[in-house]
Amino acid sequence: DAGVTQSPTHLIKTRGQHVTLRCSPISGHKSVSWYQQVLGQGPQFIFQYYEKEERGRGNFPDRFSARQFPNYSSELNVNALLLGDSALYLCASNEGARVGGAGEQYFGPGTRLTVT
Amino acid sequence: GNSVTQMEGPVTLSEEAFLTINCTYTATGYPSLFWYVQYPGEGLQLLLKATKADDKGSNKGFEATYRKETTSFHLEKGSVQVSDSAVYFCALSSGGSNYKLTFGKGTLLTVNP
Repeated sequence: DAGVTQSPTHLIKTRGQHVTLRCSPISGHKSVSWYQQVLGQGPQFIFQYYEKEERGRGNFPDRFSARQFPNYSSELNVNALLLGDSALYLCASNEGARVGGAGEQYFGPGTRLTVT
Repeated sequence: GNSVTQMEGPVTLSEEAFLTINCTYTATGYPSLFWYVQYPGEGLQLLLKATKADDKGSNKGFEATYRKETTSFHLEKGSVQVSDSAVYFCALSSGGSNYKLTFGKGTLLTVNP
């Protein structure tokens, strides 16, 4: 079975530009989460979507937005890019949050964004 | 809020040495605990998990026990291999917000032959 896929693999943008990152979850998974991993740090939670609705948002500015489509794939959008947005952006999926569920996530390989 | 504190790296070991990577946490409620591993150039892979106190998670020779009294989830392996070289992340998801993972900063492990 295919795992979580992300595109593109690498991306170079200039400050002030906009970027869209894409993610396809594991088949059957209805929840998609986005994380930002700055070099040398652990991933930081950005968003989670479940059944096309936002379930949670991390401590990121409004320049970051996301959406989930009927086929459960997702896009992460970042406007007005700053140098500090350079990071590995990870997408993760799971079946969906359940009360008392373990909450483990299955991660894609990530998109490496470099802002110059 | 939730937080995870991991042993600072890097950790360098010889093959067949014993590994311990310490992890302690702060969380509301009764979190689930995880160890993820990130091999060079790859995304994160779930290594093991534990969902309640005294549970032991294990996989590929790695083990970790959920210790509620010490709020710890230390990762151990009795005999490491060169192929275990990677970055290891301790993480938690808390019942009140089990939609997200809170990660530690990661520990780089290098195993030399």
